[in-house]
Amino acid sequence: NAGVTQTPKFQVLKTGQSMTLQCAQDMNHNSMYWYRQDPGMGLRLIYYSASEGTTDKGEVPNGYNVSRLNKREFSLRLESAAPSQTSVYFCASSESRASGKGEQFFGPGTRLTVL
Amino acid sequence: DQQVKQNSPSLSVQEGRISILNCDYTNSMFDYFLWYKKYPAEGPTFLISISSIKDKNEDGRFTVFLNKSAKHLSLHIVPSQPGDSAVYFCAASPREKLTFGTGTRLTIIP
Repeated sequence: NAGVTQTPKFQVLKTGQSMTLQCAQDMNHNSMYWYRQDPGMGLRLIYYSASEGTTDKGEVPNGYNVSRLNKREFSLRLESAAPSQTSVYFCASSESRASGKGEQFFGPGTRLTVL
Repeated sequence: DQQVKQNSPSLSVQEGRISILNCDYTNSMFDYFLWYKKYPAEGPTFLISISSIKDKNEDGRFTVFLNKSAKHLSLHIVPSQPGDSAVYFCAASPREKLTFGTGTRLTIIP
């Protein structure tokens, strides 16, 4: 039972390049999330998916797109990377709040640097 | 507008003593509150949560207190251990989405 896995762990991009961050969970959770963490800013929600086939914007969605490929996988795409997107990216998953267990489980993160 | 605030960026506590981490929020719609612990180069891990219908929740050495009238919650760790040294985030939610505070770095002094 691996929990939430993310690939890659590290990535360096040049301005304007594109890439996709991959996330998968094996806990049969309905909800999945993408966050970014910047120094002094805590974690900020980029996008959220309540179930397969649905996505919703979070606090900082500009410059990103997401795909909920199936119940297990939720990917984050940067179409044209900018230095402001240098950050650590975390994927998370959870059961629905209605189940009474709203805590989110996080992956180990992807450290992205945009030059 | 920071809806969840952790005003102490850092805290140092002697091993064996009580650690108290504080968090304030502004959004009255928040009804579920959580604490996460984060080690360097790892993802946050869930510690403890509390619903707005309660004012206290305990789990082993960890207790969370919620004061709804003051819009304040705190995490108590008793006794503090060296492995508790980490960054602690509080988070709050009205539904599925979480809003995080900026974190408090706790250092346990042996």
